[in-house]
Amino acid sequence: NAGVMQNPRHLVRRRGQEARLRCSPMKGHSHVYWYRQLPEEGLKFMVYLQKENIIDESGMPKERFSAEFPKEGPSILRIQQVVRGDSAAYFCASSPQGNYEQYFGPGTRLTVT
Amino acid sequence: EDKVVQSPLSLVVHEGDTVTLNCSYEVTNFRSLLWYKQEKKAPTFLFMLTSSGIEKKSGRLSSILDKKELFSILNITATQTGDSAVYLCAVLGNEKLTFGTGTRLTIIP
Repeated sequence: NAGVMQNPRHLVRRRGQEARLRCSPMKGHSHVYWYRQLPEEGLKFMVYLQKENIIDESGMPKERFSAEFPKEGPSILRIQQVVRGDSAAYFCASSPQGNYEQYFGPGTRLTVT
Repeated sequence: EDKVVQSPLSLVVHEGDTVTLNCSYEVTNFRSLLWYKQEKKAPTFLFMLTSSGIEKKSGRLSSILDKKELFSILNITATQTGDSAVYLCAVLGNEKLTFGTGTRLTIIP
């Protein structure tokens, strides 16, 4: 059973470009969570999705950030018009149901130059 | 706002020592407390604790939760260099995890 997959593992974008981060949950998991880890800081919750539904996006910045988890395919975290402050590691986690242990992917390290 | 505080922030011990990591929390709608180990990559799940007073054990690692005093401890006995990592405590409430900033554990051979 493959774990949570994320790609790309490293992404470099210039200021103003768009970043797309992908996450495929573990097989059998229909709940996906995105977290951001800034340098020297803890992991911070961004958004919680089930298939085709955003359940909780209380941790997402109001502008430039969006997330989706379509019926087919991976979950996508999209950051438009990236700025230097978006540089961070973005982790995806999945679980088979809500309020259950979450398993993390290897993360995408985004660097904005 | 939900809050998780871990102590100490960092700890350096010699191989073979026993360490205790602390985690206290203030969370609405508490469901469970989780411990993760993070090396230079994804957090790796260690334990999920839901009930007070019941110790969970995995090899040299063990953890216990006190829901009355709102804290948990993670013990590692006979530490090895491979235990060097950041240990993260997270509390599950309202279907999302709130993390502490972690304890950075360094084991000196």
